[in-house]
Amino acid sequence: KAGVTQTPRYLIKTRGQQVTLSCSPISGHRSVSWYQQTPGQGLQFLFEYFSETQRNKGNFPGRFSGRQFSNSRSEMNVSTLELGDSALYLCASAPDTGELFFGEGSRLTVL
Amino acid sequence: GESVGLHLPTLSVQEGDNSIINCAYSNSASDYFIWYKQESGKGPQFIIDIRSNMDKRQGQRVTVLLNKTVKHLSLQIAATQPGDSAVYFCAEYDYKLSFGAGTTVTVRA
Repeated sequence: KAGVTQTPRYLIKTRGQQVTLSCSPISGHRSVSWYQQTPGQGLQFLFEYFSETQRNKGNFPGRFSGRQFSNSRSEMNVSTLELGDSALYLCASAPDTGELFFGEGSRLTVL
Repeated sequence: GESVGLHLPTLSVQEGDNSIINCAYSNSASDYFIWYKQESGKGPQFIIDIRSNMDKRQGQRVTVLLNKTVKHLSLQIAATQPGDSAVYFCAEYDYKLSFGAGTTVTVRA
């Protein structure tokens, strides 16, 4: 059974640009959550999607957005990038609630 | 702010010894806790979980203890191996995971 797949694994952007990250959950999982990991703030919850609807949202500015498609694949977008957005962005999937399975992350560097 | 925290940021342990990683939480209403292991360059990996109606749960070489009176949980790793070197996070789950800061475990040969 394939795990959670995130693309791209690494990317470099400059301030003011926007970025889109992709996540393919484990087959059959309908919940996809996104987390940001930085050395200073640790792991923080961004949002969760379930059956194409945002079910929960963390405390991030509106520059951070996401969506989920009918096949449960999810994307997150960050607009008007800031230096502080440099982080490892992790996607996690679950059948509904409970145990989350994480991907290996997309490492974003903003210059 | 975060409701879950770890007591020590680093832990060095001799190979073959037992490791104990501690975590304190502040929300007395929390009822589901999970321990994750994160190796360098990888995402967090589920180790073991425990619900508030339990005091102890055992897995393969790992045991989680929950003390609701003092809002404390711990992860015990038996016979620590070099492959156990990683960052360990405790997390509280309600509709999302709230992670502690993490403890970096280094296993000495």
